[in-house]
Amino acid sequence: DAKTTQPPSMDCAEGRAANLPCNHSTISGNEYVYWYRQIHSQGPQYIIHGLKNNETNEMASLIITEDRKSSTLILPHATLRDTAVYYCIVPRFFGNEKLTFGTGTRLTIIP
Amino acid sequence: GAVVSQHPSRVICKSGTSVKIECRSLDFQATTMFWYRQFPKQSLMLMATSNEGSKATYEQGVEKDKFLINHASLTLSTLTVTSAHPEDSSFYICSARDTGRWDNQPQHFGDGTRLSIL
Repeated sequence: DAKTTQPPSMDCAEGRAANLPCNHSTISGNEYVYWYRQIHSQGPQYIIHGLKNNETNEMASLIITEDRKSSTLILPHATLRDTAVYYCIVPRFFGNEKLTFGTGTRLTIIP
Repeated sequence: GAVVSQHPSRVICKSGTSVKIECRSLDFQATTMFWYRQFPKQSLMLMATSNEGSKATYEQGVEKDKFLINHASLTLSTLTVTSAHPEDSSFYICSARDTGRWDNQPQHFGDGTRLSIL
């Protein structure tokens, strides 16, 4: 997997947008960026993924820089339930390949 | 959406017993499933890749005779922790992807099994 770098922790006020950065400077041209999160004592939850265009779904938006060396996950209106560890992962090949989890970013939503 | 079901959610048993954990893809087929282990305050570590109809592939340092994996159908993989000891106590999680789709579908995870060996 391409190496990813994320800040270890972040705080965000409830109701505000949470912006979680990820650096993946060694990403290859056909590798996707995936975001997952893990709420305490649960299995990881898929959030969103993208290749080079910005993506949006009901959970979040993903902004990928033009050079694809970094991305930002945006939770537009953070709630307390968004408190979790967020993982940015770039598998070597999309889909079937195993995922390597780093330490992620521990996001705490402050009431 | 794709759902992965894992059972049981929690197991407490005595040292020396064997424990079987099931991972099912409920609304899709998966030729490959993955098994992870997570210790407290640590990230997920991949243990093995479960391959339908063939032998599992284990990561370095994971004992294949200790952690038996069977993937007998396209919707079910099982992990058996044999002769479990307290150091095997951990959170075990499986994942799977819809391999019947042509597009790059993501891996989906079960809710995990918390194994406690007394």
